[in-house]
Amino acid sequence: GAVVSQHPSRVICKSGTSVKIECRSLDFQATTMFWYRQFPKQSLMLMATSNEGSKATYEQGVEKDKFLINHASLTLSTLTVTSAHPEDSSFYICSAAGPGGNSPLHFGNGTRLTVT
Amino acid sequence: GQQLNQSPQSMFIQEGEDVSMNCTSSSIFNTWLWYKQDPGEGPVLLIALYKAGELTSNGRLTAQFGITRKDSFLNISASIPSDVGIYFCAAPGGTSGSRLTFGEGTQLTVNP
Repeated sequence: GAVVSQHPSRVICKSGTSVKIECRSLDFQATTMFWYRQFPKQSLMLMATSNEGSKATYEQGVEKDKFLINHASLTLSTLTVTSAHPEDSSFYICSAAGPGGNSPLHFGNGTRLTVT
Repeated sequence: GQQLNQSPQSMFIQEGEDVSMNCTSSSIFNTWLWYKQDPGEGPVLLIALYKAGELTSNGRLTAQFGITRKDSFLNISASIPSDVGIYFCAAPGGTSGSRLTFGEGTQLTVNP
């Protein structure tokens, strides 16, 4: 079945540094990928929609200069948290949809970001 | 915007009991999805429903797509300890069919 790989699974960084998270579709081409953020004991909150070869679409309230998204190929999307601060600490999860967008989304295993 | 109301928020049950949870919305959806999330991991798809009135099973799990297309439920029969986790309903909307909206989740605890 469809597999989405997310890396790293955990990262600790110092305040002010940038962190890049990768999301790969391993056995299918993903024209669209989605980035979610999840706080403890809460649901997933969509941050942005990443389309291969075009600019990402950000949800209201999500700073595009803070959360840089690049979807340079059909199998890879990256999320870079720039100038991270402790309030950016969270669980970030990506998901991917195949061509046509009608197949159910499959999710990566998430990245636990801790900013000290 | 579109919102999914999921209930109950949490459940504490004994092993062997059946579980039922549901999601409702004021909006109509053409697809309902149910996911399970274990601690520290991403959600895993359990069941996908594509047709109003559809009843689909996956092992001990059964989910139904409400006839009004505004609701769905998930049943787990004969629960076991590994059923512990958070269960989310989700439905795609927006201009991209895969842009998912999630329910608030149901935290399930199974006591052995």
